[in-house]
Amino acid sequence: KQEVTQIPAALSVPEGENLVLNCSFTDSAIYNLQWFRQDPGKGLTSLLLIQSSQREQTSGRLNASLDKSSGRSTLYIAASQPGDSATYLCAGDSGTYKYIFGTGTRLKVLA
Amino acid sequence: EAQVTQNPRYLITVTGKKLTVTCSQNMNHEYMSWYRQDPGLGLRQIYYSMNVEVTDKGDVPEGYKVSRKEKRNFPLILESPSPNQTSLYFCASSLGMMNQPQHFGDGTRLSIL
Repeated sequence: KQEVTQIPAALSVPEGENLVLNCSFTDSAIYNLQWFRQDPGKGLTSLLLIQSSQREQTSGRLNASLDKSSGRSTLYIAASQPGDSATYLCAGDSGTYKYIFGTGTRLKVLA
Repeated sequence: EAQVTQNPRYLITVTGKKLTVTCSQNMNHEYMSWYRQDPGLGLRQIYYSMNVEVTDKGDVPEGYKVSRKEKRNFPLILESPSPNQTSLYFCASSLGMMNQPQHFGDGTRLSIL
């Protein structure tokens, strides 16, 4: 059964730091992968989608990559800001019409 | 504005009293899905639908029903709610399942006493 691990579970950094969040799937056969942001009391906001033919996606200060051979994805956040504070979730699909989510990384960026 | 709308946002009810959580999207999306989010367990998929009249079980379907009679609506039905269904529920939609981003509603917090 596909399982997803996100490391670290929580992270607190000073403003301006570059940081990396990790996501790992037990089954490396990931068809597409999506990174989300969740703010307290809110739904999930899609940040980046890596489609089946892609290995990487970038949006502003965010960059996500997927290594399909290992089933690992990283989300890189450059020059972090207090407004980046949120829980970050990764989710993947193995071509089964079912998305599997990680439990998230709680990020706090200190001013 | 493109959005996924869930109602109600909050509900406290009692064991055994049937309830329905509605979900509607205005983006003409084919794929819709329901998730529940519990501390330490993350989001788990309950049911999904690939199109009108096409639904299938996710990882935790027990105790839930869904229907997809119209493209825009995908209600979640709890016929006989129990306390272990107390959770935060999310509806999501996407244009298709493959290679399309999912859009989420703001969530429904259910408490079943």
